[in-house]
Amino acid sequence: QLQLQESGPGLVKPSETLSLTCTVSGGSINSGSLYWGWGWIRQPPGKGLEWIGSIYYGGNTYYNSSLKSRVTISVDTSKNLFSLKLSSVTAADTAVYYCARNHDSPNWFDPWGQGTLVTVSS
Amino acid sequence: SSELTQDPAVSVALGQTVRTTCQGDSLRDYYASWYQQKPGQAPVLVIYGENNRPSGIPDRFSGSSSGNTASLTITGAQAEDEAVYYCQSRDSSGSHVVFGGGTKLTVL
Repeated sequence: QLQLQESGPGLVKPSETLSLTCTVSGGSINSGSLYWGWGWIRQPPGKGLEWIGSIYYGGNTYYNSSLKSRVTISVDTSKNLFSLKLSSVTAADTAVYYCARNHDSPNWFDPWGQGTLVTVSS
Repeated sequence: SSELTQDPAVSVALGQTVRTTCQGDSLRDYYASWYQQKPGQAPVLVIYGENNRPSGIPDRFSGSSSGNTASLTITGAQAEDEAVYYCQSRDSSGSHVVFGGGTKLTVL
C-alpha cells in the first residue's frame, strides 16, 4: 500500500525559501507510466485547498500560475522522494502542505500524505 | 478565485439522499474528482473519473456530470459522512489543476 509522508521545517522566516520533501513508501516513485505523477497541495488555516504544482513521468512540471515564479518541484528517484521549494515566502504562504500521487487524464490525487503545517514568521 | 464553484454548505437528514454540485466551464471537457475532508485530516478521494470509487469507499457515494456541472450524490447519508467535500479538475486551459471552494456537509 502506497504511503506518503511530508517532512521539513515547521517554521520559515519571511523572504526565505520553504523546502519540503515527500517520502514515498510501499512503491516506486518511478512508475514508468505517463499517467502518473506527484503533486503538492496546500491549505491555509481555515481555508480551502490550493494546488501548487505537479511533476509527471519524464520530469514535466506544471505549476499554479500564481506561484509559478517561486515554485520548484523535483523528484529524487534514488531516494524515492519528491520535493517542493517555494522561495520568497510571506505570511500568506502559511498553510498545511500536502503531497499526493497525481493521476493525469483524468486527473485526481490519491493517496495523500498526512500534511505538515508550515508557518511563515520571524 | 476558483474556476470551480461549489455551494458553501448543505445539510441532509440522517439516511436521506443529498447531492452537492460543482460548476465550471472546464467540466464540459474534463471529469471532476471529489474529496472528503474531516477536521484535522488530509483529504480522501471518494470519486474519480466518470464515476469510480477507490477501494474502501462505500457505494452510497456516486458521481455524475452534465454540461458544466458535476455532482456528488450520497444515497443514505450517515453521520460519518459529515465533512467538507471538494471537487477538483483541470482548468479551462487544460494545463493546470483547480479545486472548488468546498461544501460543508452537515448530517442532521
